[in-house]
Amino acid sequence: ETGVTQTPRHLVMGMTNKKSLKCEQHLGHNAMYWYKQSAKKPLELMFVYSLEERVENNSVPSRFSPECPNSSHLFLHLHTLQPEDSALYLCASSQVPDRYTEAFFGQGTRLTVV
Amino acid sequence: QKEVEQNSGPLSVPEGAIASLNCTYSDRGSQSFFWYRQYSGKSPELIMSIYSNGDKEDGRFTAQLNKASQYVSLLIRDSQPSDSATYLCAVNVRRLIFGTGTRLQVFP
Repeated sequence: ETGVTQTPRHLVMGMTNKKSLKCEQHLGHNAMYWYKQSAKKPLELMFVYSLEERVENNSVPSRFSPECPNSSHLFLHLHTLQPEDSALYLCASSQVPDRYTEAFFGQGTRLTVV
Repeated sequence: QKEVEQNSGPLSVPEGAIASLNCTYSDRGSQSFFWYRQYSGKSPELIMSIYSNGDKEDGRFTAQLNKASQYVSLLIRDSQPSDSATYLCAVNVRRLIFGTGTRLQVFP
């Protein structure tokens, strides 16, 4: 596989469930990102990992917990979510440090919280 | 003030026309600028990047950057119905910040 791959593509979960989103990149990049895209809202940056270290956490509720075991894999652990957390969750990767860096996205996970 | 602003549209243009998409940004320290295309239900796809003032052309796409005015635009020449999508402007200020996107509709 090439590029950035996210699984699952679709997820429906109850508010008491625990689930995880997975992202894997095959581009040799060293930075990975989680974005949230809600309807009619801009892409919201949630977390940034650079060289496997979390470098940014944009006031995301603790019910979202990221994990980056290595530069190719990124997880987003979900627990006790709310219906307003329903959105498209996008993973991206890039090369740092490089101020000109472009980010490439995975296909996204469409999450519905019921 | 939003960090990256775009008109949400929709911008409707006839097939064959030039579509002009605009974006303004607030941080003068921004170094790099990108245009992504996003089809409904799909992830954003990078189509253009620009780093210095002026124009950059790639096929039917031209990106224009004016750092003094904090303005970046995307022109799509000979618009096709397949260009109908949401176009996202992104600015790199230590991390990528996206605008809300402009929805483009190209009608036959």
